[in-house]
Amino acid sequence: EAQVTQNPRYLITVTGKKLTVTCSQNMNHEYMSWYRQDPGLGLRQIYYSMNVEVTDKGDVPEGYKVSRKEKRNFPLILESPSPNQTSLYFCASSFQAEPEETQYFGPGTRLLVL
Amino acid sequence: DQQVKQNSPSLSVQEGRISILNCDYTNSMFDYFLWYKKYPAEGPTFLISISSIKDKNEDGRFTVFLNKSAKHLSLHIVPSQPGDSAVYFCAASVGVGNMLTFGGGTRLMVKP
Repeated sequence: EAQVTQNPRYLITVTGKKLTVTCSQNMNHEYMSWYRQDPGLGLRQIYYSMNVEVTDKGDVPEGYKVSRKEKRNFPLILESPSPNQTSLYFCASSFQAEPEETQYFGPGTRLLVL
Repeated sequence: DQQVKQNSPSLSVQEGRISILNCDYTNSMFDYFLWYKKYPAEGPTFLISISSIKDKNEDGRFTVFLNKSAKHLSLHIVPSQPGDSAVYFCAASVGVGNMLTFGGGTRLMVKP
């Protein structure tokens, strides 16, 4: 089954404690990205990756890091989380040719930073 | 400043009637527009798209209309079904394959 998986699905942490949210896709997609969803603001892109070892900033990259060492994985790293990073996070992947229409989203990770 | 806005946070419609979801944008460079649908505890899924060379695109019960002069697009669902109850996001980009800018979403409730 084609899917994008994220772990964990729910996470409560404290300010400053480093965390990683994993994202994995089984569709051999070149393009992967991370979004955060906040009330009234829709989804905003944090980082994206066109392929292995190629990453770039999206709309709201501050406070986040990513890496793309393998095609299937695209972890999101919060080195020193802060309360304003409390949000719902989505990972997505797609084929490079038609990224928007073939974009598969993961189920989301709800993060609470105390 | 939000470049893509969905001014109605929620909409309630009777089953069988038409649902009209609206979206406005400010960036005149946007030329590719999409609608996504999101159920609770799931990620968004692509619904329908339209490029700026068209003013209408239809797919079954779903039709998207684009009014470039007004910088406005709308999604029509006819007839509405209870299973259409979800949050709908419009999104726009400059060209295909570039970063999407999303609206804030509209929660549609279709009552049986």
